[in-house]
Amino acid sequence: AQKITQTQPGMFVQEKEAVTLDCTYDTSDPSYGLFWYKQPSSGEMIFLIYQGSYDQQNATEGRYSLNFQKARKSANLGISASQLGDSAMYFCAMRDLNNAGNMLTFGGGTRLMVKP
Amino acid sequence: DSGVTQTPKHLITATGQRVTLRCSPRSGDLSVYWYQQSLDQGLQFLIQYYNGEERAKGNILERFSAQQFPDLHSELNLSSLELGDSALYFCASSFPQTGSNYGYTFGSGTRLTVV
Repeated sequence: AQKITQTQPGMFVQEKEAVTLDCTYDTSDPSYGLFWYKQPSSGEMIFLIYQGSYDQQNATEGRYSLNFQKARKSANLGISASQLGDSAMYFCAMRDLNNAGNMLTFGGGTRLMVKP
Repeated sequence: DSGVTQTPKHLITATGQRVTLRCSPRSGDLSVYWYQQSLDQGLQFLIQYYNGEERAKGNILERFSAQQFPDLHSELNLSSLELGDSALYFCASSFPQTGSNYGYTFGSGTRLTVV
């Protein structure tokens, strides 16, 4: 069974600083995808970044980067130059690409608070 | 606007009652997924439909049921509601069903409060 672990329930970061949110996963399948979502206080789920298990390079999307370490089964999210609007819950998720269902399995989330 | 429409946005109902949550997927998406987000359980996958057929089932209670209609919209029916059913219910859609490198598009959710 798939499992996603986010060990940081809450984190503070100073505005304009960089921050890393941790995510480890467990799966026996060789083909999978890793995602990060942002959930602001308004509640919607916002897709941030994706990494496929066979991708050779780490994914980047603007200020977001995904540090994918396959052997360690980790997929940490980096946010550079934090902004006040980055304050939100962040969820790591995994999708087994060989599973007929293709559902996402989510971690417990990390609440990021950006200090002015 | 993500393209996935969920109605209603808020719902307050009493214990023992039955409610229906509705989801219209993004245009062209064939798969619809339902998730429950409660404070103590995080985001839990409930059920998936693909082109009208049930494709996968997660931690969905027997009191809950869902279906996807020919126009691809989906409804989640929750019956004999309990206080613990209070949660944010998300619908998401995706296409194609397998082999995609992309994730889902989430709706804005329905916040259910059972009193």
